[in-house]
Amino acid sequence: NAGVMQNPRHLVRRRGQEARLRCSPMKGHSHVYWYRQLPEEGLKFMVYLQKENIIDESGMPKERFSAEFPKEGPSILRIQQVVRGDSAAYFCASSRTLNVEQYFGPGTRLTVT
Amino acid sequence: QQQVKQSPQSLIVQKGGISIINCAYENTAFDYFPWYQQFPGKGPALLIAIRPDVSEKKEGRFTISFNKSAKQFSLHIMDSQPGDSATYFCAASEQGAQKLVFGQGTRLTINP
Repeated sequence: NAGVMQNPRHLVRRRGQEARLRCSPMKGHSHVYWYRQLPEEGLKFMVYLQKENIIDESGMPKERFSAEFPKEGPSILRIQQVVRGDSAAYFCASSRTLNVEQYFGPGTRLTVT
Repeated sequence: QQQVKQSPQSLIVQKGGISIINCAYENTAFDYFPWYQQFPGKGPALLIAIRPDVSEKKEGRFTISFNKSAKQFSLHIMDSQPGDSATYFCAASEQGAQKLVFGQGTRLTINP
């Protein structure tokens, strides 16, 4: 049973470019969460999605960031016009249903030059 | 009120000793408290979790102690091994909210 998959594992973007991060949840999991981890810090919640719906985006910056979880395919976290401050590790987690364990993927390390 | 405060920031323990990491919270609506282990360059891995209806949960060498009245919970690692050297995060969530609120992390080093 494959775990949560994220790609790419490492992504380098120049300032002003777009970054697309992909997450495939564990088999049988329909709830997806995105978290951001800055160097030497804990993880911060960004957004919670179920298939085709954003449930909670209270941790998402108001501009440049968006997320989706389409009926088919992986969840996508999109960052437009990246800035140096977006450099971080972005982790996706999934759960089978509500109020149960969240399992994390290996993360995408975004570097903005 | 959403914060979870974790201490210490770093901890060094001798092989075979007990590692203890503490977390405190303010939000009384929190009802789920997991601990995650993270190795450099990897994603957090769920270690053990507890809900407020019990005061202690043990899985192998890992034990969570939970004090609801003090709004504190802690992770104990018995017979600590060099392979336990990692960063540990406590977290909390409230029913219906789903999002995990993480502590700042503790970098644990087990000396051989």
